[in-house]
Amino acid sequence: EDKVVQSPLSLVVHEGDTVTLNCSYEVTNFRSLLWYKQEKKAPTFLFMLTSSGIEKKSGRLSSILDKKELFSILNITATQTGDSAIYLCAVVTGANNLFFGTGTRLTVIP
Amino acid sequence: NAGVTQTPKFQVLKTGQSMTLQCAQDMNHEYMSWYRQDPGMGLRLIHYSVGAGITDQGEVPNGYNVSRSTTEDFPLRLLSAAPSQTSVYFCASRTSGLAGGRSYEQYFGPGTRLTVT
Repeated sequence: EDKVVQSPLSLVVHEGDTVTLNCSYEVTNFRSLLWYKQEKKAPTFLFMLTSSGIEKKSGRLSSILDKKELFSILNITATQTGDSAIYLCAVVTGANNLFFGTGTRLTVIP
Repeated sequence: NAGVTQTPKFQVLKTGQSMTLQCAQDMNHEYMSWYRQDPGMGLRLIHYSVGAGITDQGEVPNGYNVSRSTTEDFPLRLLSAAPSQTSVYFCASRTSGLAGGRSYEQYFGPGTRLTVT
């Protein structure tokens, strides 16, 4: 059975802190891993990772995939209150569908 | 482009009633899907379609029907609503081809919050 596990489930930090969110997976026929940010409504796309060891970066956010150890991390440096959201990890499986983890709820306190 | 649109935004049903959640996209995407999101459960795939006339079941298809008569529209039908179907429903679309580095990026609609009493 396909499984995507995110940790921690929730996290409270102060503005300026750096956070690392984790996503581990066990799926059949892995194709790609995606990170999404969900604020009040629909998830919005952050990164797609297909190859091991290649860091994707966008501003203060970065992510990397380890296909040998079956995990990915999402780093956010110098956090701001606008980073408060649920961060979702999803894996594209052999059927070309996205299989989501339960998400990490990040709260950034001023 | 409007992207992915969903109606209604909110709905309250009584147990046993049926209804259709509407989803449309104007990006000419082949792949469309429906998810439900419950607290602590993440997004779970209900049904998906890889093109007009083709649909398939996801993780949690029971109690739901879909059809795909056009590329643009992908309605989700609740046949006989149950309290266990109280959830937030998201429709999503993307291209199904593998060309380009962002082919798995899904675009989500704003969601429908459904309550079944």
